[in-house]
Amino acid sequence: GQQLNQSPQSMFIQEGEDVSMNCTSSSIFNTWLWYKQDPGEGPVLLIALYKAGELTSNGRLTAQFGITRKDSFLNISASIPSDVGIYFCAGAGGTSYGKLTFGQGTILTVHP
Amino acid sequence: EAGVAQSPRYKIIEKRQSVAFWCNPISGHATLYWYQQILGQGPKLLIQFQNNGVVDDSQLPKDRFSAERLKGVDSTLKIQPAKLEDSAVYLCASSLGRGRGRPYNEQFFGPGTRLTVL
Repeated sequence: GQQLNQSPQSMFIQEGEDVSMNCTSSSIFNTWLWYKQDPGEGPVLLIALYKAGELTSNGRLTAQFGITRKDSFLNISASIPSDVGIYFCAGAGGTSYGKLTFGQGTILTVHP
Repeated sequence: EAGVAQSPRYKIIEKRQSVAFWCNPISGHATLYWYQQILGQGPKLLIQFQNNGVVDDSQLPKDRFSAERLKGVDSTLKIQPAKLEDSAVYLCASSLGRGRGRPYNEQFFGPGTRLTVL
């Protein structure tokens, strides 16, 4: 089955620093989504990507759909304490309508 | 606009007992999903409904798990009997569904039900 490898597994950064994380797949995806999950809550959709090469921003967040369609990247600029949480990538393939495969998550800790 | 509602938020049961979770999706969302999230992992799809029909239940342990969405709106997920390894967060999500254009894969999640099996 499809597998997503998300890295890094965890990050400890200072407030104000930029953050980068990525996701790679063994299969091609048609859609990449990035979610953030706070403790005790469900994942919240941050950014959705639909075309290879697409670059999309949401405030201080920027995500890219890799040209090979097997990877995606998320960048957070000028991190703040409320960025703390777990970030998940998720991909959907053409033969699995609507079905998302999730990465293992990146745990982000921001020190004030 | 109200989000996805789930209840209960927490449940503690003994192994071999039964448990049921309830989900109310975002109004107008045709597709509903149940996920299992084990601590330290990403969500794993258990079952997907399109209106009141099952689209994908390949990952649902059918010997003990069942789910229904009778009127194409609310859904319940049941575990009977529960095992220790069923301890996890059960997430419900919904999306617009087929034929609604580009954002059909954009799934919106409820807060989840944290199940502990002792």
